[in-house]
Amino acid sequence: NAGVMQNPRHLVRRRGQEARLRCSPMKGHSHVYWYRQLPEEGLKFMVYLQKENIIDESGMPKERFSAEFPKEGPSILRIQQVVRGDSAAYFCASSPPAGDGTEAFFGQGTRLTVV
Amino acid sequence: AQKVTQAQTEISVVEKEDVTLDCVYETRDTTYYLFWYKQPPSGELVFLIRRNSFDEQNEISGRYSWNFQKSTSSFNFTITASQVVDSAVYFCALSEWNTGFQKLVFGTGTRLLVSP
Repeated sequence: NAGVMQNPRHLVRRRGQEARLRCSPMKGHSHVYWYRQLPEEGLKFMVYLQKENIIDESGMPKERFSAEFPKEGPSILRIQQVVRGDSAAYFCASSPPAGDGTEAFFGQGTRLTVV
Repeated sequence: AQKVTQAQTEISVVEKEDVTLDCVYETRDTTYYLFWYKQPPSGELVFLIRRNSFDEQNEISGRYSWNFQKSTSSFNFTITASQVVDSAVYFCALSEWNTGFQKLVFGTGTRLLVSP
C-alpha cells in the first residue's frame, strides 16, 4: 500500500515561472491537505480539499497560489510567477473519506527553490 | 486562537543522555488532539504520536515517552538514552474540534543534535 506520493521531490524555478506540485493521496483517501514549511520554521496549513472541492483555503496566499483535486488524478498545488519568498518545502497529506486531519499521512514533500 | 509553542530552538546532548522536548499549547476548545512529529535530515515527516484531550495518561513507547498535562497545557516529549539517530527536528502540533480536526497547527520545532 503506497503512501502519499509527492512529485517532484525537488523543483527549481526561475523567478516569474510557474511551479506545479503534485500529490497522489494514499489509495482510498479522498481528503488532501497542503502545508508549507518555510526555512527554519514549522509547517503552516494552506488548504484542505476533497475531490473536486476546496473545503478550506484559509491558509492560501491570496494571489498566485491555487490548488485543485480533480475527480481523476493527483491534487495539484500551482504557484504562478514564483518569487524567492516561495522557496520552501511543500507537504501534502491525505486522510480517508470518514477521517479527518488527525488521521492524515504526510508525503515526503517537494522542495521548491526559486532562483 | 490556537497556538503551539516550542521554546527550545535547539538542544545538544551527548549520546545516552536523556532529553526532554517541551511543548506548550493554547486552545479554547475542550476537545482537541496533540501530536509529535520527527523530521530527520532527509526531510520527511515521521508521525510519532497522537493524543486526544480526554486522555491524560502518559505514554511510553520504547525509549520515547510523553507527558500530557492539561493543567499546564503542556505535552512534553522525553527521549531516554538518546542515540545519534535521534538527531532531527521535532515538531509538536495541535488540531481542534472547531476546525473539524481538519488542520494541524505546528510549533516552530526543536532541533535535537545528539553527538557520539
